[in-house]
Amino acid sequence: KNQVEQSPQSLIILEGKNCTLQCNYTVSPFSNLRWYKQDTGRGPVSLTIMTFSENTKSNGRYTATLDADTKQSSLHITASQLSDSASYICVVSLRDDKIIFGKGTRLHILP
Amino acid sequence: DSGVTQTPKHLITATGQRVTLRCSPRSGDLSVYWYQQSLDQGLQFLIQYYNGEERAKGNILERFSAQQFPDLHSELNLSSLELGDSALYFCASSVGARSSYNSPLHFGNGTRLTVT
Repeated sequence: KNQVEQSPQSLIILEGKNCTLQCNYTVSPFSNLRWYKQDTGRGPVSLTIMTFSENTKSNGRYTATLDADTKQSSLHITASQLSDSASYICVVSLRDDKIIFGKGTRLHILP
Repeated sequence: DSGVTQTPKHLITATGQRVTLRCSPRSGDLSVYWYQQSLDQGLQFLIQYYNGEERAKGNILERFSAQQFPDLHSELNLSSLELGDSALYFCASSVGARSSYNSPLHFGNGTRLTVT
């Protein structure tokens, strides 16, 4: 069964600290993996995208990694800011056009 | 701003009623996707239209229907509403028939439906 599992479900950290969010997937045939950021009351916005041949991709303070062998991805946020408070959603696309969404990690940044 | 416009932003209605949600895709995008997001649930794919034609169907209930018009805007119709239909409904658009490496989904800010 095609699944995308994210952990932790929620996370609270202090402003300025780093954090890492995890995504494990069991999908086939894999095409690409995106991380989206969803602010409260807004639609998701794409942060990064990686295919199986890409191990890492950065977007400012966000760095995503992908291990296609273990089917794991992570999103690392450096020097967190209050505006990073949001849900982060891991989304895997299959080669047959299906898109599988994880349930997201809810990140709270405290001042 | 994603360029995808959804109206209304909020909708409160009673059980058994029928509502219509509207979506205008980003300029130049031919595909429109509808998603449902319930509390603490991930985005659930409902249906996709490409250039006016239905392209893919997900977990869409028979009480729900959608269409894409010649000007590419789309409407999602929800009928015989139940309490469990309360959710955020998102519309997304993409350039081509499929979301690809260079063609991400662009999401609107959703319509929050509350069924009482």
